[in-house]
Amino acid sequence: SAVISQKPSRDICQRGTSLTIQCQVDSQVTMMFWYRQQPGQSLTLIATANQGSEATYESGFVIDKFPISRPNLTFSTLTVSNMSPEDSSIYLCSVDDSSIPGTDTQYFGPGTRLTVL
Amino acid sequence: GQNIDQPTEMTATEGAIVQINCTYQTSGFNGLFWYQQHAGEAPTFLSYNVLDGLEEKGRFSSFLSRSKGYSYLLLKELQMKDSASYLCAVSRDYKLSFGAGTTVTVRA
Repeated sequence: SAVISQKPSRDICQRGTSLTIQCQVDSQVTMMFWYRQQPGQSLTLIATANQGSEATYESGFVIDKFPISRPNLTFSTLTVSNMSPEDSSIYLCSVDDSSIPGTDTQYFGPGTRLTVL
Repeated sequence: GQNIDQPTEMTATEGAIVQINCTYQTSGFNGLFWYQQHAGEAPTFLSYNVLDGLEEKGRFSSFLSRSKGYSYLLLKELQMKDSASYLCAVSRDYKLSFGAGTTVTVRA
């Protein structure tokens, strides 16, 4: 499966600031996704990062708050804008492993643990 | 939308077997996944079912009944390292929706 890295691994930020999280994959992948996992909860899909076009956001998530870039098939960024303490969470990117056709199996990066003060 | 239900917690003894059930309601279905997540780590892929029946992978097996909207993950010969959260996820249009997760605690 693809090897996925994320930067930063963790950060502590002040209210009102923004943080950009990077996700790098060691091979070209078609689909990349961004999830949020709030403390003690399961994963919630934020958006699908589309290469060459705007990201597709899930209900409850908007581009102004979570702008996403996908400049090529191995890299994506998620920005958490104008942060508040409610944004404290783990943010994970995942990729759909196209080498296993038809399974839609997703593999996750190590996550970015964000704390907003 | 999708409703995915699984028990919150389970406890079992080392060497024993534990079965984690997952029920789901979905308007579309491309497959069901199980992931393992240790505290502070990312989820790791365990199994995938798209057809009815049992898929076996070593100590872990996963079962699916699409007509019943039901799956289970079976963990055999439990080891201490199996203590983790187990997440059931349903795929629809290549997107995953996760259940809340089942925390399994293995005791000596």
